[in-house]
Order: sequence, then structure tokens, then C-alpha cells
Amino acid sequence: EAQVTQNPRYLITVTGKKLTVTCSQNMNHEYMSWYRQDPGLGLRQIYYSMNVEVTDKGDVPEGYKVSRKEKRNFPLILESPSPNQTSLYFCASRLGPSYEQYFGPGTRLTVT
Amino acid sequence: LAKTTQPISMDSYEGQEVNITCSHNNIATNDYITWYQQFPSQGPRFIIQGYKTKVTNEVASLFIPADRKSSTLSLPRVSLSDTAVYYCLVVTYSSASKIIFGSGTRLSIRP
Repeated sequence: EAQVTQNPRYLITVTGKKLTVTCSQNMNHEYMSWYRQDPGLGLRQIYYSMNVEVTDKGDVPEGYKVSRKEKRNFPLILESPSPNQTSLYFCASRLGPSYEQYFGPGTRLTVT
Repeated sequence: LAKTTQPISMDSYEGQEVNITCSHNNIATNDYITWYQQFPSQGPRFIIQGYKTKVTNEVASLFIPADRKSSTLSLPRVSLSDTAVYYCLVVTYSSASKIIFGSGTRLSIRP
């Protein structure tokens, strides 16, 4: 089944403890993105990647890192999480710039 | 990237046709219009995409006038399960992949 998977789905952590949210797609898509969604602010793009080893900042990249070492995986790294990064995170992938995005199920992160 | 403006919320009843209009005055030649649907705590789901005139699929229709400064998503005969947030996006057909979701329209369908 074609899908985007994210792990973990739920995570509660403490300020400053490094964490990684994994994202994987099985559709051989070139493009992948990370978004965060907060009440009243909609979906905001954090980072995106157009191919292996090619990444760029979205609208809200501060406090996040990404890497794209393999086409199927696009992990989101929070080196030192803070409470303002408490949010619902979505990973998405698409075949190319004119194609629709497929979203993962989301990761709900709470930083205390 | 062109900014989009949509109504914050809309209400309708089962069986009615619902039209959600999106304004994108600064749309560029290389831009196309895409609509997504999102249910609570789920990732957005693609509905329809178009460049000009009319596009129809099994779920919805998308009407885009000649000047392309607005678009209208039309949902025929809505049901309670169409209650969701609908996002209009303008996406550039280029190598860039920056995408901006607006605030969306919260559609509520009543029995």
C-alpha cells in the first residue's frame, strides 16, 4: 500500500532532550516536506527536500534540522526541544512539483 | 508565492451543493491551484488541482476564471462526512518546493 509513515505517533519529552521523528515513504517520491500545525496558525512548512542531499528551509525552520540521505526517508531532528515546539507534525511526499502531496498520519509532540 | 484568502467558516446542510471561493490576486503564470481537505488530527488529503477553466473529478469540481485571480471549489450534494477544513493553495510549477497553506475554511454540514 502506498503510504507515508511517521514514528513515533505520540511523544512527550522534556526541554533540551534531543529527539528524532522519522518519516518514510514507499512511493519513490522525489519531494518530501515537514509541517507543523498549531491551533489558529494552520499548517506551516518547516523544511523540504527536492532529492537526496537537497534540502531547504520552509517558513519556520528555527530549532529544527533535517537530513535526506536516502530517497525514502526524511527524518526531522530537534536538537534541543523547547516547549514552543509542542505541536502536531506532519510529513508529506510528492512525485514532483506539480503533483499532489501525500501526508503521513501525524506525530503529536509535547515538550515540557 | 501567491497569498490565498478564503472564508474562515461556512455552514451548509446535507444534500446541498457547497461552493468555497479562494482569492489569489498575485497568482503567477507558472502557478496552479490545489485544494486539500483535512479532518481533525489527520493529515490533509488532496482533493483537486487545476490551472484554468474547469476541472472535475469524482469528488469535486474546480472553477477557475480566465484571470485566475480566484477559484471556486464545488462540492456536490454534501454529507455529514464532508465536515472538515478545506485549504486552497497556490503552488509554483518549478523546482522549488516551498508551499504555503492558508488558514483554510472550516466547513460544517448539518443534518
